[in-house]
Amino acid sequence: DIQLTQSPSTLPASLGERVTISCRASQSISNSLNWYQQKPDGTVKRLIYSTSTLESGVPSRFSGSGSGTDYSLSISSLESEDFAMYYCLQYATYPQTFGGGTKLELK
Amino acid sequence: QVQLQQSGAELAKPGSSVKISCKASGYTFTSYDISWIKQTTGQGLEYIGYINTGSGGTYYNEKFKGKATLTVDKSSSTAFMQLSSLTPEDTAVYYCARRSLFDYWGQGVMVTVSS
Repeated sequence: DIQLTQSPSTLPASLGERVTISCRASQSISNSLNWYQQKPDGTVKRLIYSTSTLESGVPSRFSGSGSGTDYSLSISSLESEDFAMYYCLQYATYPQTFGGGTKLELK
Repeated sequence: QVQLQQSGAELAKPGSSVKISCKASGYTFTSYDISWIKQTTGQGLEYIGYINTGSGGTYYNEKFKGKATLTVDKSSSTAFMQLSSLTPEDTAVYYCARRSLFDYWGQGVMVTVSS
């Protein structure tokens, strides 16, 4: 199975700050990577798919990039509703696997 | 709008089974497969498998073979997952999601296994 290593596991940040979350795969996943936001009530929302395509309705402050084994999610200017858990998911091979998650918390 | 509505929380005894549901609305049910995902504090998110909602064909992650059984009722646009021979390690939140690059997720179902 492909391992996804997400970092950092916890990210303290301030309102208005720019942050970046990393997701590194154990082998090339050919841009087959999505990013998700999970709120404390368990609601899961797709933010980015296929590495860099922004989900409809998701604010443009979210962006994704990467290739090969290294991918990242950036949020350009944090707003209060952005403080949540974030996960990456690879769908290049079965079984699909997830990163361990990043908790974005208010500093 | 697309919605995946999952059934309510379950409390089950070790050795028993539970069957949770995922009712789809807002789209043509048989046009998208349904995937299932397990979330625990210790193991994070794990992919269980998926079911082809048209044919009923299934794929299971090797880790969940014999544990999870996926079925579908096209008449009610509902997918089901039965978890058998429950142990405390099966205590988790279980999500369904559309297999289309996991675009929409259900709200999750908490399954607690305890004597």
